[in-house]
Amino acid sequence: QITLKESGPTLVKPTQTLTLTCTFSGFSLSTNGVAVGWIRQPPGKALEWLALIYWDDDKRYRPSLKSRLSITKDTSEDQVVLTMTNVDPVDTATYYCAHRKLNWNDGSSTFDIWGQGTRVTVSS
Amino acid sequence: QSELTQSPSASGTPGQRVTISCSGINSKITNNAVNWYQQLPGTAPKLLIYNNNQRPSGVPDRFSGSKSGTSASLAISGLQSEDEADYYCEAWDDGLNGPVFGGGTKLTVL
Repeated sequence: QITLKESGPTLVKPTQTLTLTCTFSGFSLSTNGVAVGWIRQPPGKALEWLALIYWDDDKRYRPSLKSRLSITKDTSEDQVVLTMTNVDPVDTATYYCAHRKLNWNDGSSTFDIWGQGTRVTVSS
Repeated sequence: QSELTQSPSASGTPGQRVTISCSGINSKITNNAVNWYQQLPGTAPKLLIYNNNQRPSGVPDRFSGSKSGTSASLAISGLQSEDEADYYCEAWDDGLNGPVFGGGTKLTVL
């Protein structure tokens, strides 16, 4: 059974760096075809993909946020960490991590299991 | 930024069949599989349909997905009150080099 859980600060001041940790179980991020992604959802708004990290340490970032984001994995601890620098009140959102499964047959992929999310408020 | 377009809202009465659409620009939907997620109030999204029309284990067959050209659809038959939720489509964006979500459709069961 795959589970993911996000953790991190609930309140961050503008210009600070936000560090979020996704702790997962039920899979290994060293297994071919597996990735973990971060997605956020501002209050009352839509989902927005932020970053992906693959089993081979390949990384993808949302272009508009690439300069502020960093995603890393710790395979031994079964964790993925997302850092976001220079946060602003517009970064206030619920942040989700999710397991991304690659279908080798046709190259499609999907976020098949999600964490419960962690709410982050950026305010002075 | 690239995006997928969904109608903001949809509604139906219990027992009805409703359809939620998702349209994409360029080749996002044409060339890539579409996934659908259900987000019940106050909860995390849950995978509902993957690879255009596949249902994960445990998802009732009342939910079905289809894709044609640059558009995809989620159909819910035999609408139930517990289907009241936000529904999001998602597809890989080759230009973004990552997944892109639709703006979401809020489904109300009258």
